[in-house]
Amino acid sequence: NAGVTQTPKFQVLKTGQSMTLQCAQDMNHNSMYWYRQDPGMGLRLIYYSASEGTTDKGEVPNGYNVSRLNKREFSLRLESAAPSQTSVYFCASSDRYEQYFGPGTRLTVT
Amino acid sequence: GQQVMQIPQYQHVQEGEDFTTYCNSSTTLSNIQWYKQRPGGHPVFLIQLVKSGEVKKQKRLTFQFGEAKKNSSLHITATQTTDVGTYFCAGSRGNEKLTFGTGTRLTIIP
Repeated sequence: NAGVTQTPKFQVLKTGQSMTLQCAQDMNHNSMYWYRQDPGMGLRLIYYSASEGTTDKGEVPNGYNVSRLNKREFSLRLESAAPSQTSVYFCASSDRYEQYFGPGTRLTVT
Repeated sequence: GQQVMQIPQYQHVQEGEDFTTYCNSSTTLSNIQWYKQRPGGHPVFLIQLVKSGEVKKQKRLTFQFGEAKKNSSLHITATQTTDVGTYFCAGSRGNEKLTFGTGTRLTIIP
C-alpha cells in the first residue's frame, strides 16, 4: 500500500517550458488535491477534484491545468512555466476529512 | 476569502520546555485540523476538532478549539527532538475546501 505517490521528485525547467506532474493514490479515495508550498505562505490549493471526472479551481489556479485521468490519478500541468511557479508541489487525497499527502515535487523554474 | 493565520512563525525551545502555537481564522469555522510536517517531508494529519470548546489530547500534545470556533491552539508539553517540524492548522467552513495556516516552525535546542 504505497499511499500517495508523486513523480518526479525534483525538476528544473527553463521559463516557457511545459511539464506535467503526476500523482496517484491507491486508497480508493474520491477527492484529490494539488497544493503549492512556498516559504512563509503555508499550503495553497491550486486545483481539486471531488470525484472522478470533476475538477475545480482552488485559491491559486492561474498558470496551471489539471486532469483527473481516473479515480487513482490526478495530474497537474504547467503549460508555460514562469519563475513565480518555483515551489514545492504536493498532491493529496482524502475520503472523509483527513488528507493524505504525497512526498512532493520540488520544481525550480529559471 | 477566508484567512487563517498562525503565530508564532518560528519558535526555538530548549528540549524539555513546552511549546504552543496559535491559529486564528477571519471567519467562523466548521472544523479545524492540525498537520505536522517534518523537515524535508510532507504534511501528516494529526487531529480534527469540530465542537466549540473541544479539547483533545494525544500523549504530550493538547489541541483546543475556541468557543467561537475562530481560533485553535496546539500545546506540546516537555518537547523532545522528535517534535521538530512545522505545525499547520487548516480550517474549513461548510463544504468549502481546507484553508491552511501559515505554519509554525519548531526547532528544539538539545
